[in-house]
Amino acid sequence: EPEVTQTPSHQVTQMGQEVILRCVPISNHLYFYWYRQILGQKVEFLVSFYNNEISEKSEIFDDQFSVERPDGSNFTLKIRSTKLEDSAMYFCASSKEGVRLETQYFGPGTRLLVL
Amino acid sequence: AQSVAQPEDQVNVAEGNPLTVKCTYSVSGNPYLFWYVQYPNRGLQFLLKYITGDNLVKGSYGFEAEFNKSQTSFHLKKPSALVSDSALYFCAVRDMNNAGNMLTFGGGTRLMVKP
Repeated sequence: EPEVTQTPSHQVTQMGQEVILRCVPISNHLYFYWYRQILGQKVEFLVSFYNNEISEKSEIFDDQFSVERPDGSNFTLKIRSTKLEDSAMYFCASSKEGVRLETQYFGPGTRLLVL
Repeated sequence: AQSVAQPEDQVNVAEGNPLTVKCTYSVSGNPYLFWYVQYPNRGLQFLLKYITGDNLVKGSYGFEAEFNKSQTSFHLKKPSALVSDSALYFCAVRDMNNAGNMLTFGGGTRLMVKP
């Protein structure tokens, strides 16, 4: 069964550094998402992406964040200058279409630790 | 605004007994409701969803959930729990009236099934 994959599984970085988190969505899916889960807190929506542009974003997704689909398979989340509070588990998800009936399938996550 | 509450941080049940994990939601329109499960060091795995139709929805691994509009609830159930069901369970909602696709998650409920 096709799965969403994410790399790396863990990343440790220094405050102020740039990080890029990578995701390979399910191959015939067209909508892509990033969520994050700070330790002990809820899973929170960050952004959705379709047709090479952001379709929706939350208040968390400020100018420090950007997303890109650099080729036909990868979907990336970039944090330009990391802060301590960016430490979290970041989940990528994808769905076949953006209509509301479609299920979002999640990857295993990247645990980001900012020191 | 859409929101989800999972009132129990943890549910303990003996193997073979029925289990219920509670979820209540709040949306302005009609809800799309989802249950996901997270095993240690794994991503969020889709279990089941309610879109419309029968209030009792059947999903993976013998789980089912009952949609109750008057009580704004979507409790997850299983007739006979297995030790391997021990995991973190998340309820999520999407408001049909919202143009976007973001999921709003509850805080999660840890299910512990004891032999």
